[in-house]
Amino acid sequence: AQKVTQAQTEISVVEKEDVTLDCVYETRDTTYYLFWYKQPPSGELVFLIRRNSFDEQNEISGRYSWNFQKSTSSFNFTITASQVVDSAVYFCALSEPPIYNQGGKLIFGQGTELSVKP
Amino acid sequence: DAEITQSPRHKITETGRQVTLACHQTWNHNNMFWYRQDLGHGLRLIHYSYGVQDTNKGEVSDGYSVSRSNTEDLPLTLESAASSQTSVYFCASSEARGQPQHFGDGTRLSIL
Repeated sequence: AQKVTQAQTEISVVEKEDVTLDCVYETRDTTYYLFWYKQPPSGELVFLIRRNSFDEQNEISGRYSWNFQKSTSSFNFTITASQVVDSAVYFCALSEPPIYNQGGKLIFGQGTELSVKP
Repeated sequence: DAEITQSPRHKITETGRQVTLACHQTWNHNNMFWYRQDLGHGLRLIHYSYGVQDTNKGEVSDGYSVSRSNTEDLPLTLESAASSQTSVYFCASSEARGQPQHFGDGTRLSIL
């Protein structure tokens, strides 16, 4: 069965610190997709990144970077020089490949609440 | 701009009542999903649909139903509300299976 584990329930850092959010997943599929979503205090869910299982290149977008390692089934998210506006709950999610009428659903981790203090 | 809207944003009701949460998207996406968010559980899938007249059960579907009569709407019905269904409900849609899902702003439902 598919599963996503975010072992860090809460993280608190001081502004300008770097912080890494861990995500470990389980799947028997060889083709799958991984996602990160951000949920700020206002409550909406904001898509950050999608990665497919065949693309192990790391991704950098401004202060955000993602490290995908199939060997350890991990898809970790690093925020460099954190800011107060980064305070949010971050979710990692796994999607199976579409097969007939199955697949494509998102399986979420429990989320990591990041608090960035000034 | 295309969007996905949920209504109501907040609702308080009593146990045993039937409740319907609305979800409307203007993305013209075939794929629509309902999740509930509870502390310690992240988001869990309730029901989903891959097109008109198509509905499927998710991980936590007991006590819920959906219907898909057009592309834009996927209403979620709680047949007989229970206190365990107090939660925040999110609707989402995606262009294709495996593509990023766009989420509504959520409905906070309290069942007393």
